[in-house]
Amino acid sequence: QLQLQESGPGLVKPSETLSLTCTVSGGSISSSSYYWGWIRQPPGKGLEWIGSIYYSGSTYYNPSLKSRVTISVDTSKNQFSLKLSSVTAADTAVYFCARYVVVIANFDYWGQGTLVTVSS
Amino acid sequence: SYELTQPPSVSVSPGQTASITCSGDKLGDKYACWYQQKPGQSPVLVIYQDDKRPSGIPERFSGSNSGNTATLTISGTQALDEADYYCQAWDSSTVVFGGGTKLTVL
Repeated sequence: QLQLQESGPGLVKPSETLSLTCTVSGGSISSSSYYWGWIRQPPGKGLEWIGSIYYSGSTYYNPSLKSRVTISVDTSKNQFSLKLSSVTAADTAVYFCARYVVVIANFDYWGQGTLVTVSS
Repeated sequence: SYELTQPPSVSVSPGQTASITCSGDKLGDKYACWYQQKPGQSPVLVIYQDDKRPSGIPERFSGSNSGNTATLTISGTQALDEADYYCQAWDSSTVVFGGGTKLTVL
């Protein structure tokens, strides 16, 4: 059974960079059928796609966040990571990682999510 | 940018049929999917590729997608179906989520 687990600091100061890692177990991140994505959900609000990455390093980003987002992949560790720069309180959210099935355009496996709070 | 519009809330009586819509320009030309999210939990895929159910999802969940509207239908709604539901599609190299619909079973 595929599992995804987010990890990283739960508290980030304003103007700093938020960094999270998603560790994939029970399957290979190098599969040709999938992208790997980050999605966030501010408290009490809806889901927002941040971006996705292929095992080769090819990426797609949400245009509204693109200038601040970097997603990378480490196939040797079966992990992919998110960096979001110049954070503000508006970036406070639960951050999910998930597997994206390319040909049918949906996320089929999700991590449990991790709350990141931006505060001084 | 592409947008998907959902009603903020839908109410249904137990045992009745609930329908949640998702509207977007020429959405019927794309694959639509639906996620169920209960408080404090991760989203769960309940419909993919417009009308397919993943393994383990009850038959009372069904989907359709035509024209500008995708619809999630829950037949014989149960109290445990009370949750937030999100539609999602892919457009111009971006993943787009609808704003979400809170389904209340009362």
